Amino acid sequence: QSVLTQPPSASGTPGQRVTISCSGSSSNIGRNYVFWYQQLSGTAPKLLIHTNYQRPSGVPDRFSGSKSGTSASLVISGLRSEDEADYFCASWDDSLSSWMFGGGTKLTVL
Amino acid sequence: QVQLRQWGAGLLKPSETLSLTCAVYGGSFTTYSWSWIRRFPGKGLEWIGEIVHTGSTTYNPSLKSRVTMSVDTSKSQFSLRLNSVTAADTALYYCARGGRWYTLGEFWGQGTLVTVSS
Repeated sequence: QSVLTQPPSASGTPGQRVTISCSGSSSNIGRNYVFWYQQLSGTAPKLLIHTNYQRPSGVPDRFSGSKSGTSASLVISGLRSEDEADYFCASWDDSLSSWMFGGGTKLTVL
Repeated sequence: QVQLRQWGAGLLKPSETLSLTCAVYGGSFTTYSWSWIRRFPGKGLEWIGEIVHTGSTTYNPSLKSRVTMSVDTSKSQFSLRLNSVTAADTALYYCARGGRWYTLGEFWGQGTLVTVSS
């Protein structure tokens, strides 16, 4: 059981908008930044969002992040087939003194 | 452009010690912290710990008793040792730039599959 809770799966058709949630607590998301990663099959994870909503250089603006209280969301707009991947949220947990990841959401593009 | 390249043994027997090394090319080695993260087969990610150029470390409390990280600043390399491995340690291991005070996972190594089997 992960400290950060994500839905195990999500899906959408090309062009749609998909939202992936990440629920935590006051010791992690509630007081620390949230990060999102995309892991395509057979490759290393890639940083998609840092410090709650910032996109690294090269990440399309179709990807956006937000945080409210102890939850965060990743929104993918204009879904594309190449977005099919596993998505993970992460945040530092002050009580555990450790980085914690969500269990991951497998996104399927129908 | 920052690149991380990692290597180490991929097949271990229970009770043996996992040993991986990651070399950093490009960018500053001394400015950032450096982490090890693993992904379990079909499951999620787990942060193992981080190290900075001075050798100061922060470990995941759940692994602290078995983990040792070290650094060789002259070579811009850092290493992971995990002792007394079991089948539960079978995973893809990644090195990555960042940690508690720097964006975690801005750059990643290519990953090393470590399988523990008798």
